Amino acid sequence: DSGVTQTPKHLITATGQRVTLRCSPRSGDLSVYWYQQSLDQGLQFLIQYYNGEERAKGNILERFSAQQFPDLHSELNLSSLELGDSALYFCASSPGHQHPSNYGYTFGSGTRLTVV
Amino acid sequence: QQQVKQSPQSLIVQKGGISIINCAYENTAFDYFPWYQQFPGKGPALLIAIRPDVSEKKEGRFTISFNKSAKQFSLHIMDSQPGDSATYFCAASRGSARQLTFGSGTQLTVLP
Repeated sequence: DSGVTQTPKHLITATGQRVTLRCSPRSGDLSVYWYQQSLDQGLQFLIQYYNGEERAKGNILERFSAQQFPDLHSELNLSSLELGDSALYFCASSPGHQHPSNYGYTFGSGTRLTVV
Repeated sequence: QQQVKQSPQSLIVQKGGISIINCAYENTAFDYFPWYQQFPGKGPALLIAIRPDVSEKKEGRFTISFNKSAKQFSLHIMDSQPGDSATYFCAASRGSARQLTFGSGTQLTVLP
């Protein structure tokens, strides 16, 4: 167990729908990162939050959004889903963007999203 | 500029052999180069990492070699074991935000 908890583990939904993926970071970690892993695009950084604030944005579609709550858990919202959004979505956490041990953060086991 | 190129795509090694995976990057601003190991159904797990001021780092059977002038780095797995069979990703990051740019992955199979 990495200490990063992602729910649900599997999600099957129809095109056009909206889903929410949840991530609880390791205890004490302030930064949360979201990544998408697909067969054709590999592992792609989506977005990072640090202590409730958006810190960095990667290849995240406008249909996707995220937030980090005061208890530091994070949610990734995916809307108007398309078949191509089917992928593994990983959350990772680290102590914080200024913390010297921020390197090598910890990934959760992921949520497998299937859009049908 | 953000790309990290990884090769080979797949690798088959006999037990006890040496597995070598290579990566090349373009962005000289990258300042941290980790390797991740991923088993089916699991998230990537940090294996070993190196900073550009060091040319080699060894942890057990795993060694990173880093060539700053060539903008290349590689993972060597000595005495490869069947339990090492997994997908390996190189990555790079820069800046305080620490988002990772990943290579495309190498599927390693170690035959018993």
